[in-house]
Amino acid sequence: EAGVAQSPRYKIIEKRQSVAFWCNPISGHATLYWYQQILGQGPKLLIQFQNNGVVDDSQLPKDRFSAERLKGVDSTLKIQPAKLEDSAVYLCASSSRTTAGTDTQYFGPGTRLTVL
Amino acid sequence: AQSVTQLDSQVPVFEEAPVELRCNYSSSVSVYLFWYVQYPNQGLQLLLKYLSGSTLVESINGFEAEFNKSQTSFHLRKPSVHISDTAEYFCAVSPVGGYNKLIFGAGTRLAVHP
Repeated sequence: EAGVAQSPRYKIIEKRQSVAFWCNPISGHATLYWYQQILGQGPKLLIQFQNNGVVDDSQLPKDRFSAERLKGVDSTLKIQPAKLEDSAVYLCASSSRTTAGTDTQYFGPGTRLTVL
Repeated sequence: AQSVTQLDSQVPVFEEAPVELRCNYSSSVSVYLFWYVQYPNQGLQLLLKYLSGSTLVESINGFEAEFNKSQTSFHLRKPSVHISDTAEYFCAVSPVGGYNKLIFGAGTRLAVHP
């Protein structure tokens, strides 16, 4: 079974530029998550989709971050414009369904973003 | 709201020695508890989880963790570590009824030396 795929693996941009990350979850997984992991910290949930609807985006900085999951499969996370503090690893994860917290989340390798 | 505190940012240990990685959490509601591991250049992987029942849970590679409700802790232990256990370990909680949301600690880097 193929795992969660993410691209690109690395990205370097200057502040105020735009950037987009792509995620392809495990086939058949209804739930998709985007996390931000700043150096020295644990991952922080940015947004959670159930199929193509948003379940939780309470920690997404909506003035600059946006995410979509068209057709309930692939997802794209965008930052526009980027700030220095956005430098982090962006992790995508998926799980088979959303229940009361018992589903295992499977993580992709992440995209390391450096904002100069 | 929930928070997770991993009490040690780094734990150096010699091969075949025992190890304990400490995790405490705070929550106003019941939670499920998890340990994830991140090996060098790899993604996060689930190591073990506590959902209900026996408070002692085990992984397939010899790790175990015990849920202590009174102390709000979920410490991870292994009686004898190997070089291959070198990795970063993350403790996480998920509120019951909270749509599978994970709240992570800052991680503990375990370095096993020969």
